[in-house]
Amino acid sequence: SQKIEQNSEALNIQEGKTATLTCNYTNYSPAYLQWYRQDPGRGPVFLLLIRENEKEKRKERLKVTFDTTLKQSLFHITASQPADSATYLCALRGNTPLVFGKGTRLSVIA
Amino acid sequence: NAGVTQTPKFRILKIGQSMTLQCTQDMNHNYMYWYRQDPGMGLKLIYYSVGAGITDKGEVPNGYNVSRSTTEDFPLRLELAAPSQTSVYFCASILQGSERDTQYFGPGTRLTVL
Repeated sequence: SQKIEQNSEALNIQEGKTATLTCNYTNYSPAYLQWYRQDPGRGPVFLLLIRENEKEKRKERLKVTFDTTLKQSLFHITASQPADSATYLCALRGNTPLVFGKGTRLSVIA
Repeated sequence: NAGVTQTPKFRILKIGQSMTLQCTQDMNHNYMYWYRQDPGMGLKLIYYSVGAGITDKGEVPNGYNVSRSTTEDFPLRLELAAPSQTSVYFCASILQGSERDTQYFGPGTRLTVL
């Protein structure tokens, strides 16, 4: 069956360091992968989209990689700040509607 | 643009009661979705619609119904509320085929069934 795994429920990191979150999938051939940020009590907010033929995408302090051979995406936040503390969700789209992972709760400690 | 709006923000229901969760978007998006999110879990798709008059089941449709009579509105109906339907419900929309294919989410409705 199709599966998306974000293999850390929670990640604590010191301010200024790079946070790296992982999204693995099985039995999918995604057309693209997205990353969302969700703050407590709010709906998810889109951050980045990377397509199957792209290896890397950047937006300010954010970087996403997509390895369709390893079936994995990595999401990096460089120079992390306490304001980056949130839950980050990955989502895949193939020929079905977007399917979301459970998310990783990131805490950036000052 | 207000984006995606949902009402109510909070609701407590008794077992067996019914209610409709409202969702409206003003971005002229063709696709709309309903998700539920349980604590510590990801978003589970309940129903979705690819345009007015067209709806389809998602992963967890049992106990819910939807309709899409206009592009803007996509209400979710709970007919006989059960404690298992206690959750946070998110509505989302997307302009399918656009370059970014970004889903825009509403603020959510927190529903408790007692």
